[in-house]
Amino acid sequence: DGGITQSPKYLFRKEGQNVTLSCEQNLNHDAMYWYRQDPGQGLRLIYYSQIVNDFQKGDIAEGYSVSREKKESFPLTVTSAQKNPTAFYLCASTQRGSETQYFGPGTRLLVL
Amino acid sequence: GDSVTQMEGPVTLSEEAFLTINCTYTATGYPSLFWYVQYPGEGLQLLLKATKADDKGSNKGFEATYRKETTSFHLEKGSVQVSDSAVYFCALTLNRDDKIIFGKGTRLHILP
Repeated sequence: DGGITQSPKYLFRKEGQNVTLSCEQNLNHDAMYWYRQDPGQGLRLIYYSQIVNDFQKGDIAEGYSVSREKKESFPLTVTSAQKNPTAFYLCASTQRGSETQYFGPGTRLLVL
Repeated sequence: GDSVTQMEGPVTLSEEAFLTINCTYTATGYPSLFWYVQYPGEGLQLLLKATKADDKGSNKGFEATYRKETTSFHLEKGSVQVSDSAVYFCALTLNRDDKIIFGKGTRLHILP
């Protein structure tokens, strides 16, 4: 079955620690996205990538970093510079020119 | 800037009641409009979409009509079920960088 997988489902971060969230898709989609979801705030775009080895900042990129070395993978690193990382993180992908984004099941990040 | 505004929740209804969730948009072009649904603990799924004025999107008993004159895309269902309990997001895209702009979401509770 084609789809998007995110791991882990839950992730715990200690103060000062960098953590990496995984996102993999086997839909052969060109574009991939990372969103942050907080209660009552909807989805906010962190980073997106339309092609391998290229990515752009979204609305709330500070404290986050990404890479796109392979078409199917778009990992997100939450760095120690992100002071309020507790949230639900969603990865999505789309075929360029298509208007529909497909979402993974999400990773919930909690701070110890 | 481009934006989506949807009614705040939570919305609580009894089973078999009629549902309306209001959504209005502001856009500098001719957007495509979407409703996404998020079930508890999951990612978002596309529920329906409409790409031009007067189009009606429909799926699983839900409908929404693209009203250019009122810049609206209200979601309706004639008879809701307990299984419809979820968060509903209205969204738009102008196909710039394949980015989607989401509303803040409306939580729907259906009581048996």
